[in-house]
Amino acid sequence: VQLVESGGGLVQPGGSLRLSCAASEFTFSSFWMNWVRQGPGKELVWVAFINTDGTTTTYADSVRGRFTITRDNARKTLYLQMNSLRAEDTAVYYCSRDGDGHFDHWGQGTPVTVSS
Amino acid sequence: DVVMTQSPLSLPVTLGQPASISCWSSQSLVHSDGSTYLNWFHQRPGQSPRRLIFKVSNRDSGVPDRFSGSGSGTDFTLKISRVEAEDVGIYYCMQGTHRPRTFGQGTKVEIK
Repeated sequence: VQLVESGGGLVQPGGSLRLSCAASEFTFSSFWMNWVRQGPGKELVWVAFINTDGTTTTYADSVRGRFTITRDNARKTLYLQMNSLRAEDTAVYYCSRDGDGHFDHWGQGTPVTVSS
Repeated sequence: DVVMTQSPLSLPVTLGQPASISCWSSQSLVHSDGSTYLNWFHQRPGQSPRRLIFKVSNRDSGVPDRFSGSGSGTDFTLKISRVEAEDVGIYYCMQGTHRPRTFGQGTKVEIK
């Protein structure tokens, strides 16, 4: 199982960013997927969930209405569109697979810094 | 949201000695399907988390058998029978029974 995130970087408050997570070595279309973030020196926080065909998504209260999780099963890629970014969104963002329960595999993470 | 509380937050350990981390949930983690979705993760410095234990007591593939999970309802424990140097890092419990999924604040394990 391989999950490789990309798309992080420095963005100004109010700005947007799209994260990607490229999956390989497993049947991507068969698994639910998630985004989890970790602020500097802080604990892990679940951000968003998507089912296998993208018809069901759920979000943490802190990002609902600003973030959108999607997937492209043909490209084996998970996305997180982040709009109206705030300083408190600064974190390392991980994609994680739901297998044998929750969060069985994780990517290496991509850092997002929201600052002027 | 279900609050996950871990203790201790810092755990200095001696190589070769046992270690134990406790995790309490603010609500029962028994799901309507009968399963208890309590997981344990280990995060080494600068690395992404790795799942060690799922559904209270099931070890993930490749996880050494010195790691064991136990508990029920709202009280759970992760035990390391003999700590090795590679076990340093932060350990998190996490519940997946209730939405949203929530993590504990983490327990930092370091070698004395």
